[in-house]
Amino acid sequence: NAGVTQTPKFQVLKTGQSMTLQCAQDMNHNSMYWYRQDPGMGLRLIYYSASEGTTDKGEVPNGYNVSRLNKREFSLRLESAAPSQTSVYFCASRQANQPQHFGDGTRLSIL
Amino acid sequence: QKEVEQNSGPLSVPEGAIASLNCTYSDRGSQSFFWYRQYSGKSPELIMFIYSNGDKEDGRFTAQLNKASQYVSLLIRDSQPSDSATYLCAVMMDSSYKLIFGSGTRLLVRP
Repeated sequence: NAGVTQTPKFQVLKTGQSMTLQCAQDMNHNSMYWYRQDPGMGLRLIYYSASEGTTDKGEVPNGYNVSRLNKREFSLRLESAAPSQTSVYFCASRQANQPQHFGDGTRLSIL
Repeated sequence: QKEVEQNSGPLSVPEGAIASLNCTYSDRGSQSFFWYRQYSGKSPELIMFIYSNGDKEDGRFTAQLNKASQYVSLLIRDSQPSDSATYLCAVMMDSSYKLIFGSGTRLLVRP
């Protein structure tokens, strides 16, 4: 059981570069989420997709875009990376009335 | 005021003791409450979830919810060094699919 798979696991970017973080789940879940986690902080929601074909902003959407490509895949794009976006990014998915399942995370550094 | 508050710790307890972790939340309409454990460099892992007032037990873990006082707690009995981690409280505040996380409490269990 793969669960929630995130790629890449690590990435270093230069300021101004663009990047897409990939997330795929094999649990047939309707809802998917992108979070970021900074040192000493909890997870902050960037964007979420309640169901295929819908996306909504979370707490910290500025500087990001998302695409719910199909039921399995939910990607996060940084159009012009900034050092403030250095963080660990987690993707999660859930089915109605069930807890969220998290991927292993992508560690992103922007120089 | 943060929506979900946790003491950052560290909370240090001796092996075999009871560890008590607390979380308060601001929205009285919150419906679902989750405790995640996160080891350093790893993704959050679900420990417990609770929807109704009272206690819910699972092995060495007990989640307690008091909606009138707007707090949720996690008790870990017979604490082990392997329980040393950061514990994240998460609250689903309405019928949306979004979770709001606290910043986490770091637990250290001394051998």
